[in-house]
Amino acid sequence: GAVVSQHPSRVICKSGTSVKIECRSLDFQATTMFWYRQFPKQSLMLMATSNEGSKATYEQGVEKDKFLINHASLTLSTLTVTSAHPEDSSFYICSASLSLGSLYGYTFGSGTRLTVV
Amino acid sequence: GEDVEQSLFLSVREGDSSVINCTYTDSSSTYLYWYKQEPGAGLQLLTYIFSNMDMKQDQRLTVLLNKKDKHLSLRIADTQTGDSAIYFCAESRSSGYALNFGKGTSLLVTP
Repeated sequence: GAVVSQHPSRVICKSGTSVKIECRSLDFQATTMFWYRQFPKQSLMLMATSNEGSKATYEQGVEKDKFLINHASLTLSTLTVTSAHPEDSSFYICSASLSLGSLYGYTFGSGTRLTVV
Repeated sequence: GEDVEQSLFLSVREGDSSVINCTYTDSSSTYLYWYKQEPGAGLQLLTYIFSNMDMKQDQRLTVLLNKKDKHLSLRIADTQTGDSAIYFCAESRSSGYALNFGKGTSLLVTP
């Protein structure tokens, strides 16, 4: 249980276009979703925290107008990279916090590899 | 933010034990996790420990926590080539907070 489905797994887009990444919680309700970015051989850097029905909270240095996050339902959060540029190429991962009985933790999507050409 | 530090690389022979170390600075850390990431994949939760625990064992995995020194370790017994991956230590105050990750330890298991 506690699966987060992330799509697409890989996308290549042209500079200036927008890309939407979806994360769905399949068998639980995710009131809080986190979006991370990972550069090659580096750790995961938190971009923003989204709570269902409210505006996302962005980390310092993350442009909220460029990385649009929508968490309109308890099972779906989306990240849209607007006007993408090659420097936006990265691995994006979503994560939902969950508390299921004795298991406290987070479940992660499988990630989206974005390449902007 | 608070720091989570890990050694970047570890190489062991198949069948040996691996020990991956992690230190953290946030004294409010309540939950501590170990995640595994294989190339091009997302993160897989391996195990977790609460800050009021000293040790947790789960099959081949043993987690030791020294809260006084803010030191966490992951021991993998009988390491296999399939264990080769990047292992991330992470901490949080509660499930409502984002995880704070270390830079990851790249484990290489050689035959």
